[in-house]
Amino acid sequence: QSVLTQPPSASGTPGQRVTISCSGSSSNIGSNYVYWYQQFPGTAPKLLIYRTNQRPSGVPDRFSGSKSGTSASLAISGLRSEDEADYYCAAWDVSLTGWVFGGGTKLSVL
Amino acid sequence: QVQLVESGGGVVQPGRSLRLSCAASGFTFSNYGMHWVRQAPGKGPEWVAVISYEGSDKYYADSVKGRFDISRDNSKNTLYLQMNSLRVDDTAVYYCAKDQASLLNGMEVWGQGTTVTVS
Repeated sequence: QSVLTQPPSASGTPGQRVTISCSGSSSNIGSNYVYWYQQFPGTAPKLLIYRTNQRPSGVPDRFSGSKSGTSASLAISGLRSEDEADYYCAAWDVSLTGWVFGGGTKLSVL
Repeated sequence: QVQLVESGGGVVQPGRSLRLSCAASGFTFSNYGMHWVRQAPGKGPEWVAVISYEGSDKYYADSVKGRFDISRDNSKNTLYLQMNSLRVDDTAVYYCAKDQASLLNGMEVWGQGTTVTVS
């Protein structure tokens, strides 16, 4: 059971906008930045969004992050087949004094 | 560019020890916090431990507290994870990751991982 809760799957068709949610609590998302990672099979996770809504250089602006209260979201617009991957949210938890991850969302592009 | 190369993984019996290493290059290693994150087969990432840039601050996941020790040698640009009293559920790919800054700024760049099998 992950501390952060994500839907196990999401899907969309090319060109669509998809959002992936991440639900936490006041000790993690509610009081700290949220990070999002993208992972393809057999490879290491890659930072997609940092400090809730910032994109590292090289990440397309089709990817965006937001937060409201104790929940966060990753939005992917103009969905492309190469976006098919697993997506994980993460945040620092002040009560646990450690980083916590969501269980992951497998995105399918139909 | 930033490069992190883990080593030291392998097959080990329950109760034994193993030490992982992570060789860093392409950035000023002594300026950044470093993490260990693991991923069991078919599961999502699980954060294991983080160490501050100078090594004075360390935090651990409850699942490894008292058994694992994170350390670093800034003169060798190397991060370590000493794993003792290994259990079957410690089986995972272990990644080292560079923090964006100190401890609380997220895992910015990840290595390719090293596999630990406890059996």
